[in-house]
Amino acid sequence: EIVLTQSPATLSLSPGERATLSCRASQSVRSALAWFQQKPGLAPRLLIYLASNRATGIPTRFSGSGSGTDFTLTISSLEPEDFAVYYCQQRANWPITFGGGTKVEI
Amino acid sequence: EVQLLESGGGLVQPGGSLRVSCTGSGFTFSNYAMNWVRQTPGKGLEWVSTIGDTSATTYYANSVMGRFTISRDNSRNTLYLQMNSLRADDTAIYYCARRPIVGGGWADLDVWGQGTLVTVSS
Repeated sequence: EIVLTQSPATLSLSPGERATLSCRASQSVRSALAWFQQKPGLAPRLLIYLASNRATGIPTRFSGSGSGTDFTLTISSLEPEDFAVYYCQQRANWPITFGGGTKVEI
Repeated sequence: EVQLLESGGGLVQPGGSLRVSCTGSGFTFSNYAMNWVRQTPGKGLEWVSTIGDTSATTYYANSVMGRFTISRDNSRNTLYLQMNSLRADDTAIYYCARRPIVGGGWADLDVWGQGTLVTVSS
């Protein structure tokens, strides 16, 4: 099973600041990595697929990069609605696995 | 509007059974692989199971293999998860999510339902 390790666990920032979230895989997942955003009481929402592609309707301030084992989600300038938990997820190998999440808080 | 709506969650005793359902609308249900993902309250996400568009292929997490069965009825636009021999650690919100079929493979979980809570407790 591929283990995804996200860091940091919590990121304390202010609106307008840049957020950089990391996801490291225990073995190569090529580019088969996605990022999800989850707000309290809601289902996860797909932000980024195939490591660097924004999903439909996702603002351009969200960007993804990386391949192999190291990936980054960047939010260029935080908006108030961006404070949430972010998860990475791989589908290179079964079972599909998720990282433990990074909480972006004010 | 594209939508997935889960139902059937509730309280069940350890060792009991429960079937949860997920109905899709606003898209051609039979063109998508479908999935169950669960989330323990306050914790992270765990993939549970996937079924292909024609039901020919299914996959399960080791934690539910042999106890849970995924199925679908494309004529009813509905996905099911039959859960048997339930344990306390199966307590979670169960989400269904779709995966588009792209280039002969399955893409990412692009639409999720709102979830249904399953509580296993005596």
